[in-house]
Parts: sequence; structure tokens; C-alpha cells
Amino acid sequence: NAGVTQTPKFQVLKTGQSMTLQCAQDMNHEYMSWYRQDPGMGLRLIHYSVGAGITDQGEVPNGYNVSRSTTEDFPLRLLSAAPSQTSVYFCASSTGRHEQYFGPGTRLTVT
Amino acid sequence: DAKTTQPPSMDCAEGRAANLPCNHSTISGNEYVYWYRQIHSQGPQYIIHGLKNNETNEMASLIITEDRKSSTLILPHATLRDTAVYYCIVRVGLSNFGNEKLTFGTGTRLTIIP
Repeated sequence: NAGVTQTPKFQVLKTGQSMTLQCAQDMNHEYMSWYRQDPGMGLRLIHYSVGAGITDQGEVPNGYNVSRSTTEDFPLRLLSAAPSQTSVYFCASSTGRHEQYFGPGTRLTVT
Repeated sequence: DAKTTQPPSMDCAEGRAANLPCNHSTISGNEYVYWYRQIHSQGPQYIIHGLKNNETNEMASLIITEDRKSSTLILPHATLRDTAVYYCIVRVGLSNFGNEKLTFGTGTRLTIIP
């Protein structure tokens, strides 16, 4: 199993541009989440999904959209990038019991 | 979810046991204690979890006090690769809709010294 994969690893955007961060998992997990991590801070939940077709907001959802059309994929869309969205983004998946599996992260810089 | 309090940083000599404390005085009866760690800039890695009994796996041991208001993660023989930020999290274990999220604080930065 590849586990949780994220693409791209690095991205630089200009203010106002849009893009999609990709996340995929091959463990047939129902639950998937997106977090962001800013320097010196813990992870903050952006959006999460408890199954295909079901998503909900986390702590910091503004400026981001998600959809979950398949069990495997959970893309995160930045609608109009802002410098405040410069961060490291982590995707995670789980069976919904205890252990969450995290991807390697996408490092996004918005200029 | 209950809040947790951890020391911001700790040092431990290589080969010794690293004991990382966590206070969670407002924990509810159905909330588990979870430990994750984050090595450098990688994604967090699950270590262990427990409800009220002490737990051990191949990575670590988790000691939970009888009143469940605090716990200690023990890395029995710390190596340089254990240098990381360690997060203590409490939450309900079984996921219901809206209950899946983990709330990460700022954790404890553990440095293993050669």
C-alpha cells in the first residue's frame, strides 16, 4: 500500500490564483481530513469527510472547498489564494476508530 | 474534546527512557488519550492510545493515572531518531458524524542528546 499520498510536494502561487491540492489513499478508509500547520503551531483542521459525498467544516474552513466523490480521493481547493494561506497542508485518513494516517504534506507559498 | 497541557520542550540522553507528561484534567469518561509525533516537517505519526489501562506497543508505553487526569508517554530506549514534537490529544474514540477530528496543540519538542 502507498498509504496517503499528496501532490504536489511544493507549490508557489500568486495572490488571487486558484489551485487544487490532491490527496489519495489506498486503504479503503471512510474518514479523511485536511489540516494546515503554520510555523510554531499545531495542526488545525480545515475540512473533513466521513464518507463519499459527505463533508463538513473544521476549525479554519474559510477560503477552502472540498468534495468527496470517491472513497480514495479528497481534494482541497483554494478558491482565491491569499498570503495568509501560506502553510504546510496535511491530509489524513482513518477507519474512524483510533489511528489516523497522515500524508507527507504540501508546502504552499502564496506571494 | 478535553484540552491538554504539555511542557514545551524536553531533553533526554540517547539510550535512556524518555518520559513525556501530559495533563488532561477535564477528560470525560468516554475520551481516549492519543499520542502522535511529528519528526521534522513530516506528517504526524500515530504512536499509541489508551482509555484507562496502561498500554504498550512496539514503539512506546502509555501510563494513565487512576483518575485519568494525566498520562505519561514512555519511550524506553530513546534514539536520535526519536527527536520530534510529541502531541498528546484526548477525544472520543468511536467516530460519529462530526467527531472524527483530532485537535492538536503545540506539543512537546523532545530532543535526544548523543
